[in-house]
Amino acid sequence: QSALTQPASVSGSPGQSITISCTGTSSDVGGYNYVSWYQQHPGKAPKLMIYDVSNRPSGVSNRFSGSKSGNTASLTISGLQAEDEADYYCNSFTDKSNPYVFGTGTKVTVL
Amino acid sequence: QVQLVQSGAEVKKPGASVKVSCKTSGYTFADYYMHWVRQAPGQGLEWMGWVNPNSGDTSYSQKFQGRVTMTRDTSITTAYMDLSSLTSDDTAVYFCAREGATLRHCDYWGQGTLVTVSS
Repeated sequence: QSALTQPASVSGSPGQSITISCTGTSSDVGGYNYVSWYQQHPGKAPKLMIYDVSNRPSGVSNRFSGSKSGNTASLTISGLQAEDEADYYCNSFTDKSNPYVFGTGTKVTVL
Repeated sequence: QVQLVQSGAEVKKPGASVKVSCKTSGYTFADYYMHWVRQAPGQGLEWMGWVNPNSGDTSYSQKFQGRVTMTRDTSITTAYMDLSSLTSDDTAVYFCAREGATLRHCDYWGQGTLVTVSS
């Protein structure tokens, strides 16, 4: 069972917006509205940023938003800030042998 | 507040087993599935499985079937992940993570436990 595909890296200047894609199949991203996104700083545990494609947990900045089109989900960070520099992983529920699959991860760099 | 506190780092020899614990507090332990996720050095996240603390039911990634056992002790609100027949490829940080109330995502994570497999 392959991981969901994410770009290895995305960068932007402070204040800009960036979008991270997460491509799967109709058996995972395209088939369910159970896509979540996690932010991970070096040496730290992942932090939930988005769940169910576009919902933000309490306490997460509204600069983070999620969406989905077909088999591709996206995380957009607007008004990029230095503290947003981290690794980001998508995750989806699937109907394959393993019920959950993570994306390959994207390193976000703030220039 | 919800807390998941994991046991400390472990060093194991190839072929050995390791048991990682995840002590929880701040919520009703039996009401939320517990997932285990690992991350090899410099690599991405990998889902290993979950345990239903209420029933003890489990679901494991095919990759770990036959080698992993996830259990819980409701009396001390602690979940456990036992991995056997360790190889150097199992060197990783292991996280426990609580599944959120609306399901299919993890809203609280433990701090991670580094397991090093080396002869």
